[in-house]
Amino acid sequence: GIQVEQSPPDLILQEGANSTLRCNFSDSVNNLQWFHQNPWGQLINLFYIPSGTKQNGRLSATTVATERYSLLYISSSQTTDSGVYFCAGEEAQGGSEKLVFGKGTKLTVNP
Amino acid sequence: DVKVTQSSRYLVKRTGEKVFLECVQDMDHENMFWYRQDPGLGLRLIYFSYDVKMKEKGDIPEGYSVSREKKERFSLILESASTNQTSMYLCASSPRPSSYNEQFFGPGTRLTVL
Repeated sequence: GIQVEQSPPDLILQEGANSTLRCNFSDSVNNLQWFHQNPWGQLINLFYIPSGTKQNGRLSATTVATERYSLLYISSSQTTDSGVYFCAGEEAQGGSEKLVFGKGTKLTVNP
Repeated sequence: DVKVTQSSRYLVKRTGEKVFLECVQDMDHENMFWYRQDPGLGLRLIYFSYDVKMKEKGDIPEGYSVSREKKERFSLILESASTNQTSMYLCASSPRPSSYNEQFFGPGTRLTVL
């Protein structure tokens, strides 16, 4: 199966800073998603982004499917952005519709 | 808005008990999934279902079973709970078309087995 690698594993920022989180896939994926896990454990959908660029407020994401990576940009970070960010994708071969998750990036935003 | 609900946020059970975790979605999604999340291991797929009464094993099905009698409800069953099943359990659902099957998650159930 595919491998999903996220970097960095941990990130500490001061409020107001910008950051970029990266997700690499070992093989082609479909239906790439980014999630934010809040302190209570719920996974919140950020982006469904198989390819291209999307923006939602201070967050944006870019997926370059041909090069098997995706980036999540957080601008003007706030303490409420803290938590773990996951990317996940579905294997393009086989049509299994199962998501494979990375290990996550733990973001801490200090006031 | 898609809504996925889980029957309990926190659950404490004893070793050997039979445990039922319930998940309900209100968006008429065909696919439903059960994951567990453990520190250092990430999210791992236990079982999934793409239709009523259909089920497929995920990566770690041992010790679990599932039931899907109605489209909106997917139950995870621990036949005889053990301490190594203490974990965070997350349910998800997605529509069926392969061109768009964004998964949506419930709030999770933190299960402790004593």
